[in-house]
Amino acid sequence: QKEVEQDPGPLSVPEGAIVSLNCTYSNSAFQYFMWYRQYSRKGPELLMYTYSSGNKEDGRFTAQVDKSSKYISLFIRDSQPSDSATYLCAMSGYGGSQGNLIFGKGTKLSVKP
Amino acid sequence: DTAVSQTPKYLVTQMGNDKSIKCEQNLGHDTMYWYKQDSKKFLKIMFSYNNKELIINETVPNRFSPKSPDKAHLNLHINSLELGDSAVYFCASSQDVDRGGETQYFGPGTRLLVL
Repeated sequence: QKEVEQDPGPLSVPEGAIVSLNCTYSNSAFQYFMWYRQYSRKGPELLMYTYSSGNKEDGRFTAQVDKSSKYISLFIRDSQPSDSATYLCAMSGYGGSQGNLIFGKGTKLSVKP
Repeated sequence: DTAVSQTPKYLVTQMGNDKSIKCEQNLGHDTMYWYKQDSKKFLKIMFSYNNKELIINETVPNRFSPKSPDKAHLNLHINSLELGDSAVYFCASSQDVDRGGETQYFGPGTRLLVL
């Protein structure tokens, strides 16, 4: 079993739809959970960051972490064509090699006008 | 100014050659990284390095070696290139890997094609 599992998609939705992206993980040491967005031919950039369990909201984006189920989600409300990108979940533990990010395979999202 | 920069952006070379990719960050960060992203977009860490410790992913062949002339630079040397080395290589930096959960800032990537 891979440490981080993410459905690669692709996922295609109409503009204005609510998008749900998910990852599961197996390593109980993970404490930091992130979502990176990667546009085509660009480097990943941090979108959302959550420590431990709970929700975090930033504009149209909401990140949820359920450590008991080892499951994280990213919700995008009122999706826009500019949201079309690959979304990578990432997580890490604390300190040294545990501090390194482990990425999911990424979900490619396309928002159609 | 670009926070994390890489050169070259594209690299096409023959099998067996030795090549280097350069990375520079102007963020004052203590830790730098190299990642490999394969054709399926899977992003996998190869190395993390600060001025105290080099952490190597054990799956990385020893043909790959990071070289850091100073805190702002981490170059990647690849010897005896193989077809399977074709990928996009990303450099990244963060304030300090030891704290965990640090935001990493990525460069634009270097697209390597081995023929």
